[in-house]
Amino acid sequence: SAVISQKPSRDICQRGTSLTIQCQVDSQVTMMFWYRQQPGQSLTLIATANQGSEATYESGFVIDKFPISRPNLTFSTLTVSNMSPEDSSIYLCSAAGGYTEAFFGQGTRLTVV
Amino acid sequence: GENVEQHPSTLSVQEGDSAVIKCTYSDSASNYFPWYKQELGKRPQLIIDIRSNVGEKKDQRIAVTLNKTAKHFSLHITETQPEDSAVYFCAASKGQAGTALIFGKGTTLSVSS
Repeated sequence: SAVISQKPSRDICQRGTSLTIQCQVDSQVTMMFWYRQQPGQSLTLIATANQGSEATYESGFVIDKFPISRPNLTFSTLTVSNMSPEDSSIYLCSAAGGYTEAFFGQGTRLTVV
Repeated sequence: GENVEQHPSTLSVQEGDSAVIKCTYSDSASNYFPWYKQELGKRPQLIIDIRSNVGEKKDQRIAVTLNKTAKHFSLHITETQPEDSAVYFCAASKGQAGTALIFGKGTTLSVSS
């Protein structure tokens, strides 16, 4: 199984600012994804990070708010832009390769004040 | 798009009893169905998965069944132990395995000794 590292693990940010979350996988994977998990809730897919092209966003999520990069097969970033308290959540990176199962990073716990 | 329903939302059992969690999905193109266990403050951990060409899969005390015709799948845990207490999420792929996952809302399992 792939080992996925995310950083930062947590952060407290002022409203109106932006935070970039990094996700590093220890082996080449085909697919990388970003999820959000609000307190006590399930995981919601934000987008699929595509290598070398624009991410594919799910309904309710837009590029201006959550720009995503994936410059190579093992690294991706998610930026939460112009943050508000409603963005307080855990953000999780996930990776999968071909027909292998998806694994998760440890998550980034974001608090917006 | 894909929608995954999960029941029950909470489940309390005595140690040694069996626990069953059920999920239904809407997209007939889904062909990969993983189950994740999430302990408080930790990342989701894959515990078992099943692909659409299989009706049942077992791993020690855990089993998963899939009925593609009815579009439902279930997690069975036998001889439950207190350390099985956690939140369990079912998920369905948006298409082939290795694609994004849509999660159910989760089941909080409590095993009392």
